[in-house]
Amino acid sequence: QSALTQPPSASGSPGQSVTFSCAGTSSDVGGFNYVSWYQQHPGKAPKLMISEVTKRPSGVPDRFSGSKSGNTASLTVSGLQAEDEADYYCSSYAGNNKYVFGTGTQLTVL
Amino acid sequence: EVQLVEAGGGLVMPGGSLRLSCGGSGFIFNDAWLNWVRQTPDKGLEWVGLSKRKTDGGTIDYAAPVKGRFTISRDDSKNMLYLQMNSLRTEDTAIYYCVTELRGSFDNWGQGALVTVSS
Repeated sequence: QSALTQPPSASGSPGQSVTFSCAGTSSDVGGFNYVSWYQQHPGKAPKLMISEVTKRPSGVPDRFSGSKSGNTASLTVSGLQAEDEADYYCSSYAGNNKYVFGTGTQLTVL
Repeated sequence: EVQLVEAGGGLVMPGGSLRLSCGGSGFIFNDAWLNWVRQTPDKGLEWVGLSKRKTDGGTIDYAAPVKGRFTISRDDSKNMLYLQMNSLRTEDTAIYYCVTELRGSFDNWGQGALVTVSS
């Protein structure tokens, strides 16, 4: 099972919007609505930000939104804030009790 | 509040064994799907394996790189999840997280246990 492909880095200024992509295949991202997104600050455990492609867990700001088109999922962060600077990972169910993570995107808030 | 606490990490030589444990609280442990996820600086996050709750068949499954070397078990009476790692390789060096899963998402994470495989 190959890792999902994410751009290694992204950046934006405070108040702007930024969108991360997560490219998979029809065997994972395209085949199931079980794509999720995680935020990870240095030295901390990942935190769930989006589940089941578009759902925001309780406590996650509505500035974070998810979508999917075909084999590619996306996470959009609107109204960028300094505390959004972190690494972001996607993951997907891949069938047969298997899961796969993305390669991760490092977000810099300029 | 959900808490997951891993223990048992450390330094081990290639070919050696190590057992990680994970204690859970703040949720109904025997109702949970539990996973191990590891993280390295160069490969990022990697799913290791899962343990489904007994009412869903108690299925245990593994990622290809660890299948046949790693064994996941759980003791619901003690709210404990385990990861027995045998025939360890240098590429198994990582932080290992114990994680609950809900509908395909990893919703609660422990603080992680560092495993270093080196001679």
